[in-house]
Amino acid sequence: EPEVTQTPSHQVTQMGQEVILRCVPISNHLYFYWYRQILGQKVEFLVSFYNNEISEKSEIFDDQFSVERPDGSNFTLKIRSTKLEDSAMYFCANRDGYTFGSGTRLTVV
Amino acid sequence: AQKVTQAQTEISVVEKEDVTLDCVYETRDTTYYLFWYKQPPSGELVFLIRRNSFDEQNEISGRYSWNFQKSTSSFNFTITASQVVDSAVYFCALSEAEGTDKLIFGTGTRLQVFP
Repeated sequence: EPEVTQTPSHQVTQMGQEVILRCVPISNHLYFYWYRQILGQKVEFLVSFYNNEISEKSEIFDDQFSVERPDGSNFTLKIRSTKLEDSAMYFCANRDGYTFGSGTRLTVV
Repeated sequence: AQKVTQAQTEISVVEKEDVTLDCVYETRDTTYYLFWYKQPPSGELVFLIRRNSFDEQNEISGRYSWNFQKSTSSFNFTITASQVVDSAVYFCALSEAEGTDKLIFGTGTRLQVFP
């Protein structure tokens, strides 16, 4: 069964540092998404990416965030200068809502 | 605007009891999709079901069943004869056909099944 793969599974970073979260989505899909889940809270939409462009972003997705698909395979979420409140689980997903990656737990200290 | 409400924050049952998790949604679109996900303690999101707005037929999959009622904007999920392994947080979600198909999640219901 096709899978969405995310790396790393857990990342600890110091406040102010840049982090890059990686996702290998199901191939041949054109729409990709990032979602965020702060511990104990609901899953929130961050951004959708279609044809190498951002198609929609939420108010959470401010200038600190960026997304790329640098090599046609990996799909990355970059947080430029992490804050304590960026600590969360980050999920990558393909369109159709069926398949989420296993998530990256980001801890900012 | 779209919204998903899961009014039950936490439910506790004893094994073999039946349990229903409620989900009420709001949308202005006529074409939309409804989802349920299971999030076990390990943290991943496990897809359970996707239902489109034109299909109001109830669905059964093993011990799981779903009741979709457009008249009340509800998409409830029932687990029959619950088991300890059903313990998890369950999320209901909505996506609209117009736009980017992003998912709008409810706040989740934590189900604890005791032996």
